[in-house]
Amino acid sequence: ILNVEQSPQSLHVQEGDSTNFTCSFPSSNFYALHWYRWETAKSPEALFVMTLNGDEKKKGRISATLNTKEGYSYLYIKGSQPEDSATYLCAWGGADGLTFGKGTHLIIQP
Amino acid sequence: GAVVSQHPSWVICKSGTSVKIECRSLDFQATTMFWYRQFPKQSLMLMATSNEGSKATYEQGVEKDKFLINHASLTLSTLTVTSAHPEDSSFYICSARWGEVTEAFFGQGTRLTVV
Repeated sequence: ILNVEQSPQSLHVQEGDSTNFTCSFPSSNFYALHWYRWETAKSPEALFVMTLNGDEKKKGRISATLNTKEGYSYLYIKGSQPEDSATYLCAWGGADGLTFGKGTHLIIQP
Repeated sequence: GAVVSQHPSWVICKSGTSVKIECRSLDFQATTMFWYRQFPKQSLMLMATSNEGSKATYEQGVEKDKFLINHASLTLSTLTVTSAHPEDSSFYICSARWGEVTEAFFGQGTRLTVV
């Protein structure tokens, strides 16, 4: 059974502060690591697909790093805004479907 | 990104009846579609993978006779929950991709409640 773990489960952050959270995954047979942003009543929105050890990707104020050897990825949000409030999912896998973590529920407080 | 539309967004049905959920790729041809299920406070769990024109591949523990998946065209896959029971109440969500592209795009999900 593959385990993808995310921490923390939930997070309250003051507007303007920066934050980060973690995804850990099996380091063997690595294919790809996905990050999604999921707002209530909407489709999960793909943020990053990461495949290479040491990879670092950035999209606006959001960035992610990947360590496939030790099996973890960090997602960073710089200068949090209320619109960043969402559940952030990471998922491990690729061609045969994804194994998801339970997500980190992020709430940005004005 | 590409758009995937899932319908209905929520449904309530009586125990013993069947419910069909549709997943459509609106602006691309989905050679592969995935169906996931999420119980409260749990992660999304892959139920099955369907390739257009082929039989679906089900994950261990998912009853193929209960969860019928049809992927008859490159833009539509359906999941039918047959003889639904209260324990089938869950959140069901599809995702679709084309070719061997790693990224898959999700529908909005369907909240099923069986009473």
